[in-house]
Amino acid sequence: AAGVIQSPRHLIKEKRETATLKCYPIPRHDTVYWYQQGPGQDPQFLISFYEKMQSDKGSIPDRFSAQQFSDYHSELNMSSLELGDSALYFCASSSQGGEQFFGPGTRLTVL
Amino acid sequence: ELKVEQNPLFLSMQEGKNYTIYCNYSTTSDRLYWYRQDPGKSLESLFVLLSNGAVKQEGRLMASLDTKARLSTLHITAAVHDLSATYFCAVSFSGTYKYIFGTGTRLKVLA
Repeated sequence: AAGVIQSPRHLIKEKRETATLKCYPIPRHDTVYWYQQGPGQDPQFLISFYEKMQSDKGSIPDRFSAQQFSDYHSELNMSSLELGDSALYFCASSSQGGEQFFGPGTRLTVL
Repeated sequence: ELKVEQNPLFLSMQEGKNYTIYCNYSTTSDRLYWYRQDPGKSLESLFVLLSNGAVKQEGRLMASLDTKARLSTLHITAAVHDLSATYFCAVSFSGTYKYIFGTGTRLKVLA
């Protein structure tokens, strides 16, 4: 069965640079969620999209933005990167508010 | 405030022993999920609990949900080394589909 795809899987950036993370949900899933997991921490909800519209917002810094495109894939854009942004970023997708299925994650390292 | 707490945070146990991980949450919810995470890896779905009194078992793991007490338990029977991982519960609250994760329980099973 098709799963959530995230790219890239690993990303290394310098401070103050920008990064773009991509997420391809499971086919026919209408909702995408983004979570951030710092080292030794639990995943924290950032933002979600339902049918290409932002549906909920969590503790997402103003330096981050996200959108969902017409093909339902989503991108998380991160600017002015800080050391504290180093984390695992997960994307999850669901259908009609059901169980979320998580992607493999993107490990972002900011030097 | 929506809060999900797990205990213990760390658990070191001998092979063959039994133990229980607890997950408490602050507000009414009827959707609770358990995940396993290996270091640097994604979240592997273990159980989906959708109603009061739900009990599910898979191998040496059994999960239950008491919505009145706002409590879920993950019981480990006759632990084996392969169960060593971090276990998270996650709750989805009414009115929002985002997950609030518990603090996680880092389990180490000693041979």
